[in-house]
Amino acid sequence: AQSVTQPDIHITVSEGASLELRCNYSYGATPYLFWYVQSPGQGLQLLLKYFSGDTLVQGIKGFEAEFKRSQSSFNLRKPSVHWSDAAEYFCAVGGSLTGGGNKLTFGTGTQLKVEL
Amino acid sequence: KAGVTQTPRYLIKTRGQQVTLSCSPISGHRSVSWYQQTPGQGLQFLFEYFSETQRNKGNFPGRFSGRQFSNSRSEMNVSTLELGDSALYLCASSSQGTNTEAFFGQGTRLTVV
Repeated sequence: AQSVTQPDIHITVSEGASLELRCNYSYGATPYLFWYVQSPGQGLQLLLKYFSGDTLVQGIKGFEAEFKRSQSSFNLRKPSVHWSDAAEYFCAVGGSLTGGGNKLTFGTGTQLKVEL
Repeated sequence: KAGVTQTPRYLIKTRGQQVTLSCSPISGHRSVSWYQQTPGQGLQFLFEYFSETQRNKGNFPGRFSGRQFSNSRSEMNVSTLELGDSALYLCASSSQGTNTEAFFGQGTRLTVV
């Protein structure tokens, strides 16, 4: 079945440490890929997106993600985490492979905790 | 440019009642999608409207319906509320008809008692 997997439910890192959040998808072709962040009780904010081209994409707040076709992965990274990065992060797949239009299929999310 | 506006932010309803949620997309955006977010099921797609037409629907019962107006504003209706409908309902707007990024509102927190 087509799906988006975020294997880590919770991750704790120390402030200043590097971060990598994993995302894998299982679709027959390359979908459109997104990372969103959600603070408690809030909506989703788009961090970055991959549609085509350069496989390393830069986003807001110092985040970047690398698309690896061979691994069906789109992992999110940040070289130095700030306490304000504590939130829930969602990987999402969009495009015609998810049913068309602008429909997004989300992973289950990774809750990031930052220790001071 | 104003973002996506959802009203109300919070709502408490009784089982069996119906509820209408509203979403105003970013100016110029013609696509509006709705999602339900719960701790158990995560983020699930409800439906998408583009130019007043529903063109995508998720796996939800017929109690969940929506519409879009000529100014692209959208409403979502849930009839005969059940306790399990308690959730954060998120609206997202996109500029084009397909394969474009979605911008989300703050959501409406619905509690059914």
